[in-house]
Amino acid sequence: DVKVTQSSRYLVKRTGEKVFLECVQDMDHENMFWYRQDPGLGLRLIYFSYDVKMKEKGDIPEGYSVSREKKERFSLILESASTNQTSMYLCASSFSSGSPGETQYFGPGTRLLVL
Amino acid sequence: DQQVKQNSPSLSVQEGRISILNCDYTNSMFDYFLWYKKYPAEGPTFLISISSIKDKNEDGRFTVFLNKSAKHLSLHIVPSQPGDSAVYFCAASANYGQNFVFGPGTRLSVLP
Repeated sequence: DVKVTQSSRYLVKRTGEKVFLECVQDMDHENMFWYRQDPGLGLRLIYFSYDVKMKEKGDIPEGYSVSREKKERFSLILESASTNQTSMYLCASSFSSGSPGETQYFGPGTRLLVL
Repeated sequence: DQQVKQNSPSLSVQEGRISILNCDYTNSMFDYFLWYKKYPAEGPTFLISISSIKDKNEDGRFTVFLNKSAKHLSLHIVPSQPGDSAVYFCAASANYGQNFVFGPGTRLSVLP
């Protein structure tokens, strides 16, 4: 079974703090993704990575950065947390098999509250 | 502007009856579609997919229909069970790519 784990289920941070969200997958997947989920908006892609040390901006990268130093680990960084970054953050991973639309496997999510 | 729309935020169905969840998209480049199911406090899990070369795909109680001319797809669950109660997300990708655009989700409640 594919396992995607996220470092925290719940986080409370203050405005201006630097926040690290970590994601680890155990299936040797090449692709990793960070989304945020907000009511009425579904999942929106923040950043993704197709390989180690590689990153690409998604639809809403502003205020975020990422790091992928190892294949199994993909970190999302909020450089200076703001209240509008209060959200559910979901990490996902998938194979890069060449098959169309490879299924993404999601972690349980981190609910972040920025005060 | 949302490229993938799920216009019903919620749906209630009696156990044993059919559940029909709808999804509309605007980008004609989308050619691969997936449905995910999400329980509270869990990440989304893959349910079923369909490629634009097909108009129907079936997996047990779940069937997805694709109408390319209408840019519309639907997920049918027959018969519906209380364990199907969850939020369902429609997702689409272009050029059979690895990135998906997700809809806002529909919360399905199956009543015993």
